[in-house]
Amino acid sequence: DVKVTQSSRYLVKRTGEKVFLECVQDMDHENMFWYRQDPGLGLRLIYFSYDVKMKEKGDIPEGYSVSREKKERFSLILESASTNQTSMYLCASSTTRGYNEQFFGPGTRLTVL
Amino acid sequence: LAKTTQPISMDSYEGQEVNITCSHNNIATNDYITWYQQFPSQGPRFIIQGYKTKVTNEVASLFIPADRKSSTLSLPRVSLSDTAVYYCLVHNNAGNMLTFGGGTRLMVKP
Repeated sequence: DVKVTQSSRYLVKRTGEKVFLECVQDMDHENMFWYRQDPGLGLRLIYFSYDVKMKEKGDIPEGYSVSREKKERFSLILESASTNQTSMYLCASSTTRGYNEQFFGPGTRLTVL
Repeated sequence: LAKTTQPISMDSYEGQEVNITCSHNNIATNDYITWYQQFPSQGPRFIIQGYKTKVTNEVASLFIPADRKSSTLSLPRVSLSDTAVYYCLVHNNAGNMLTFGGGTRLMVKP
C-alpha cells in the first residue's frame, strides 16, 4: 500500500521559531510537493522537487524553504514562523510516468502563536 | 501555467448525476487534466485523468471538448458519501508543473 507520511498531525509554534515539517514517501517517486490549504483558497503550491537536491518555487514560496537530500524525504522549513503561516500543510508525491497522480499525506495543522 | 476556475459549491440529491465544470482557458498543448476528491481532515485523492474527449472509470467520467479550454467531471448517481470538495488540476505530462483550481464543495442531500 502506497504511503506518504508527515511528521506531525498537529503542531503549535511561537512567532519567530524555526519550524521543520517532514514528509516521507515509500513509492520511489521522483516528484514531491508541499502545499498549504486555507479556507476559501483551495490548495496552493509552495515548492516542489523533481529530483534529489532539486527544487522549484511554486505559487507562494515566500517565507518558506525546502530540502530534499534523499529521494524519499522532502522537508519544508519555516525560517522564522509568523502568524500568517498558520495553516494546513499537505505533502504529496508522484511519479513522472503514467498517470502521475499525486498521493497526499494526512496533513499537518500548524498553529503559530 | 494554466489558471483554473471552478464553481465554489454545488448541491445535489442522492441518486442524481452531478456535473462539475472546470475552466482552463490557457491550457497548454501538452497539459493533462486531473480531478481529485477531498474529504475533511484528509489529503486529496485521485479520481480521474484525461487529455481529450472522454474518459470513464469505475467512479466517474471526464468530458473534455475539442478546444480543451474546459473539462467536466461527471459523477453518476451520487450518494451521501460523495459529499466532498472536488479539485481540478492542470499539469504537464511529468506531473510537476501544475495549478490546482479553488475546489468545488459538493453537498449531497438525502
